[in-house]
Formats: sequence, C-alpha cells, structure tokens
Amino acid sequence: GAVVSQHPSWVICKSGTSVKIECRSLDFQATTMFWYRQFPKQSLMLMATSNEGSKATYEQGVEKDKFLINHASLTLSTLTVTSAHPEDSSFYICSARDRRSSYNEQFFGPGTRLTVL
Amino acid sequence: DAKTTQPPSMDCAEGRAANLPCNHSTISGNEYVYWYRQIHSQGPQYIIHGLKNNETNEMASLIITEDRKSSTLILPHATLRDTAVYYCIVRAPYGGSQGNLIFGKGTKLSVKP
Repeated sequence: GAVVSQHPSWVICKSGTSVKIECRSLDFQATTMFWYRQFPKQSLMLMATSNEGSKATYEQGVEKDKFLINHASLTLSTLTVTSAHPEDSSFYICSARDRRSSYNEQFFGPGTRLTVL
Repeated sequence: DAKTTQPPSMDCAEGRAANLPCNHSTISGNEYVYWYRQIHSQGPQYIIHGLKNNETNEMASLIITEDRKSSTLILPHATLRDTAVYYCIVRAPYGGSQGNLIFGKGTKLSVKP
C-alpha cells in the first residue's frame, strides 16, 4: 500500500519557539494532504486541507496564522506551529489522498508527538 | 460532526470473531462506508470500505444492511494485535470537503487472551 512518512516522529520544544513538521507521500503523488490533531484520549480532529500549489483550507476554530501549512510539491506538505505554547502539545497526524485512486483513498502518516514545555 | 454512531468499547477473546457495529442512518446514496483503526500512538490504518454490497479483504469483512443504515465490521479471528480504536466513517468517494474523513469517537476494541 501507499506509504506516508512524517518527520520528526516526536519533538520537544520551549514555549514561544516554532516547530516544523514534514509530511511526505513516498510512493505516490498526492494532490491533497490533510492535517489532523489528536489530544489524549480523544479522536482525530481535522485541522486543515492543503492542495498542492494553493492555500490551505482551515477548519473552523483553527488559527491559520498559528498553524502555517505549505504544500510545495505533490509529495510534501509541511505544518509549522508558530510560537508554540503548552496547549499546542498534541499528536499531529497527516494524511495524503492518492490522486490515482478512483475511491478517493487516503493514507495516514505515523504521527508526530509535539510537547511544548 | 461524525455521521456515525458506534459503541464506545468492546471486548473480544483472542481467536474469536470480533463484530463491530456502526449505525449511519443518515447516509446519502453516494456515500461509502469506510473503516479505519488506530493502534495506540500510531496513525490510522485503512481497513476496508463499501457502498452497498458486502466486502471482504485480507483484514476483515464488511457487512452492510440492505437499507444501508448500519454496518458491521468483522475480524474473523481476532489477535492481541487487533487491539485498537476502530472508526466507522461515511463519506463521498470524490474530492472536496464532502470527501474529507471526519472521525467520531470510534470503538475501542480490547482483545483478551
């Protein structure tokens, strides 16, 4: 099956710093990538949808100036958490939609655990 | 909001079949039923999807009722590694916001020895 990677798998940073998370589709091209956030014992919450070469679409309540998304190529999307604070500590998961799939299949990365001190 | 209702938790004995129900009474005619699972601290894993016919693959079987208002995911011989949260999601098969995967709370399946 299609593989999606994320880097880093975990990161610890100080409050006020910015953190960048990369999401890559390794063996397929993804016109659309998605970013989710998951707090402990809760379900995944969709943060934003990014299409290659265009601005991301953010879900209601997600600050676009705080969570910067760049989808520069068909295989790479990045999420930058700017001026991170402890409440941003969470499990961030990306997924990618295979452009070849007629069933709109979506494949998930392994997630990045962010801890802000 | 998620369009599905699942029991919050279920237990299953190792080696036995695990039957996970899902209600989706407001499903639209063009929406598929998808199942994903998430093992602790990992990204979700695709399991199976279907429209109206029953489906089977190497991981599981999906039984969809004739009126499409509910479905059941069947793991025929559950193992300890199948312990995970299972998500039932309905969505359109094409792009756009209608094709987004919106996760509900899922069912936490615990397979016990």
